[in-house]
Amino acid sequence: NAGVTQTPKFRILKIGQSMTLQCTQDMNHNYMYWYRQDPGMGLKLIYYSVGAGITDKGEVPNGYNVSRSTTEDFPLRLELAAPSQTSVYFCASSFSSTTEAFFGQGTRLTVV
Amino acid sequence: GENVEQHPSTLSVQEGDSAVIKCTYSDSASNYFPWYKQELGKRPQLIIDIRSNVGEKKDQRIAVTLNKTAKHFSLHITETQPEDSAVYFCAASSGNNRLAFGKGNQVVVIP
Repeated sequence: NAGVTQTPKFRILKIGQSMTLQCTQDMNHNYMYWYRQDPGMGLKLIYYSVGAGITDKGEVPNGYNVSRSTTEDFPLRLELAAPSQTSVYFCASSFSSTTEAFFGQGTRLTVV
Repeated sequence: GENVEQHPSTLSVQEGDSAVIKCTYSDSASNYFPWYKQELGKRPQLIIDIRSNVGEKKDQRIAVTLNKTAKHFSLHITETQPEDSAVYFCAASSGNNRLAFGKGNQVVVIP
């Protein structure tokens, strides 16, 4: 039982490049989330999903896209990377919004 | 939507003393209140949670209290130890599909 797995752990992007952050969970959770955490700051919700085929915007969705074609996977797409997207990205999953959320180990992204 | 605020932003305590972090929430329909601990460079992990039908919950040195009337809940850490140094996040959810996090509190335990 691996829990929530994110790849890659680290990435450096040039301005204008695109990339996909992968997130997979093996707990059969319905809910999945993407957060970003800037240095010394809290968790900001980017997008979330309550089940396969359903996604919704969080607090800071601009510059990102997601899809949820399966229960297990919730990839986050960055189009036209900008320095403001330099952050640590956490994927999380939970059975519902009122049960424990399990976090992945995070992806540290630097845009230069 | 739900708005969760945490106070104070940074808390320094002497080892062995108690630490208390308070959170307020805005949505009276919220019924689930978890606390997460994030050590430096690590992922957030749940340490304790409480539901609205309970006023207090304890787990060894940590406890959470909930005041639904005032819409606030607090994390209490007794007999603090150096390994308690971390960022603590509170959160609230009403089951409307979103778990709202506070901005986090840095707790520093001074040996």
